[in-house]
Amino acid sequence: KAGVTQTPRYLIKTRGQQVTLSCSPISGHRSVSWYQQTPGQGLQFLFEYFSETQRNKGNFPGRFSGRQFSNSRSEMNVSTLELGDSALYLCASSFAGGENIQYFGAGTRLSVL
Amino acid sequence: AQTVTQSQPEMSVQEAETVTLSCTYDTSESDYYLFWYKQPPSRQMILVIRQEAYKQQNATENRFSVNFQKAAKSFSLKISDSQLGDAAMYFCAYRRRDGATNKLIFGTGTLLAVQP
Repeated sequence: KAGVTQTPRYLIKTRGQQVTLSCSPISGHRSVSWYQQTPGQGLQFLFEYFSETQRNKGNFPGRFSGRQFSNSRSEMNVSTLELGDSALYLCASSFAGGENIQYFGAGTRLSVL
Repeated sequence: AQTVTQSQPEMSVQEAETVTLSCTYDTSESDYYLFWYKQPPSRQMILVIRQEAYKQQNATENRFSVNFQKAAKSFSLKISDSQLGDAAMYFCAYRRRDGATNKLIFGTGTLLAVQP
């Protein structure tokens, strides 16, 4: 059974550009969550999607957005990139909430120059 | 708001020895989950162990066990017979159990080195 797949693994952008990251969850999983990991702020929750609806959102500016498709694949978009957006972006999937365990992808390393 | 605190930025252990990583948390909820995740240099976050707050019995997974003290809001991880492959960043995490969210709240992590 394939795990959570995040693409691309590495990305280099310049300030002001926008970027889209992709996350394919484990087959059958309908919940996808995104996290930002930086040395200074640690792991911070961005947002969560369940059945194509955003059901939770972290404390990030509106430049950070996401969506989920009918096949549960999710994308997150960051517009007008800033140097501080350089981070490892992790995606996690699970069947739903409650008892279900989340499984993480290997992340996308974004560098903003 | 819930918070998770890991007060040990780095730890070191000799191979085959035992090490304990500390974690404290704060919440007003009575029903929740606590987790320990491992993140090796490959960056993949791997679940090590999970504890349900309503269960008094401490969770164990092979060489990994926890000491869950609900009243003290403490959740430590004990790694027995440490192996070189245990070297990684370890994160303690909290999640509500109400089913309405999968949001994990992480601590700042403890970097574990295993000396041969």
